[in-house]
Amino acid sequence: SQKIEQNSEALNIQEGKTATLTCNYTNYSPAYLQWYRQDPGRGPVFLLLIRENEKEKRKERLKVTFDTTLKQSLFHITASQPADSATYLCALVRKAGNKLTFGGGTRVLVKP
Amino acid sequence: EAGVAQSPRYKIIEKRQSVAFWCNPISGHATLYWYQQILGQGPKLLIQFQNNGVVDDSQLPKDRFSAERLKGVDSTLKIQPAKLEDSAVYLCASSFGQLQETQYFGPGTRLLVL
Repeated sequence: SQKIEQNSEALNIQEGKTATLTCNYTNYSPAYLQWYRQDPGRGPVFLLLIRENEKEKRKERLKVTFDTTLKQSLFHITASQPADSATYLCALVRKAGNKLTFGGGTRVLVKP
Repeated sequence: EAGVAQSPRYKIIEKRQSVAFWCNPISGHATLYWYQQILGQGPKLLIQFQNNGVVDDSQLPKDRFSAERLKGVDSTLKIQPAKLEDSAVYLCASSFGQLQETQYFGPGTRLLVL
């Protein structure tokens, strides 16, 4: 069966350090992958999109990698700040069809 | 630019009652989505509209859930009758086109079924 897995355990990290989140998938052929941020009581907010033929994307302090051989994406927050504390969701779009499918999300807590 | 609007923000009902949620997407966005997000999980797509036509409703429990987007703008999602397992946040999102570009989410409606 198709699965998108994110670490369900919260990631506690010290301010200034780099937070690294993983998104693993099985039985998918994604055309591209997106990362979203979700704060409590709010809807997800789009952060980054990376296509299957791209290895890495950056936006300010955020970096995403996409390895279609390992079937994995890594999401990095460098120089993390308490304001980065939120849940981060990865979402895949398959080549066949264009439906967006989300992983379960990983909660990040950045401590000052 | 105004974001995606949803109402109500919270709703508490008893099982077997009916409930309706409303969504107003970003102006000019042709594609509208309804998601269900159970606590601790990622959003699950229930239905996708392109203008006023249904593109994907494969995960919509059609025996109790219905949705419409009559004029290609606002949309309503209805549950009748509600079950305990319907307790969740119902998110509406919109995008300019159908090719799953950036989706803009509303704040969601938190439903509790007792």
